[in-house]
Amino acid sequence: KAGVTQTPRYLIKTRGQQVTLSCSPISGHRSVSWYQQTPGQGLQFLFEYFSETQRNKGNFPGRFSGRQFSNSRSEMNVSTLELGDSALYLCASSLAGQVNEKLFFGSGTQLSVL
Amino acid sequence: AQSVSQHNHHVILSEAASLELGCNYSYGGTVNLFWYVQYPGQHLQLLLKYFSGDPLVKGIKGFEAEFIKSKFSFNLRKPSVQWSDTAEYFCAVNAPGGYQKVTFGTGTKLQVIP
Repeated sequence: KAGVTQTPRYLIKTRGQQVTLSCSPISGHRSVSWYQQTPGQGLQFLFEYFSETQRNKGNFPGRFSGRQFSNSRSEMNVSTLELGDSALYLCASSLAGQVNEKLFFGSGTQLSVL
Repeated sequence: AQSVSQHNHHVILSEAASLELGCNYSYGGTVNLFWYVQYPGQHLQLLLKYFSGDPLVKGIKGFEAEFIKSKFSFNLRKPSVQWSDTAEYFCAVNAPGGYQKVTFGTGTKLQVIP
């Protein structure tokens, strides 16, 4: 069974640009979550989608948005990039998004904003 | 809001030494607790989890954790570490009703010296 796939693996953008990251969950998983990982801050929750609906959102500005498609694939968009958005963006999937389910993580997309 | 504190940011041990990594969470109700591990160059993966029952839970690779409700703690232990345990360890909590809105600690980097 293929794992969680994130593309692209690396991205370099300049301030003010926008970026779209993609995540394909494990086959059969319907919940997709996104996290921002930075040194010293650990993982910070961005949002979670289940059946194309955003169920939870973290404390990030409106420049961060996402969506989920009917095949459970998800995209995350960051508009008007800032230097502080440089981070590893992780996607995680789980079967039904229940609170005691484990998360399966992808390798992440390393975003550098210059 | 739930939060997680990991007090040790960087731990260095010799092989065969015993390990205990601290984790405290703040949430007044029932919680689901997790330890995730990120080996160098690999995905984050689940080490162990607790959601009910025996407060002493065993995970992969000889790790265990004890949930002490009165102390709001979920410390990770291993009696004898190996060089291959070198990794970053994250404690995480998810509260009921939160679906997959997992709160992670900032992580502890463990370096095991042969």
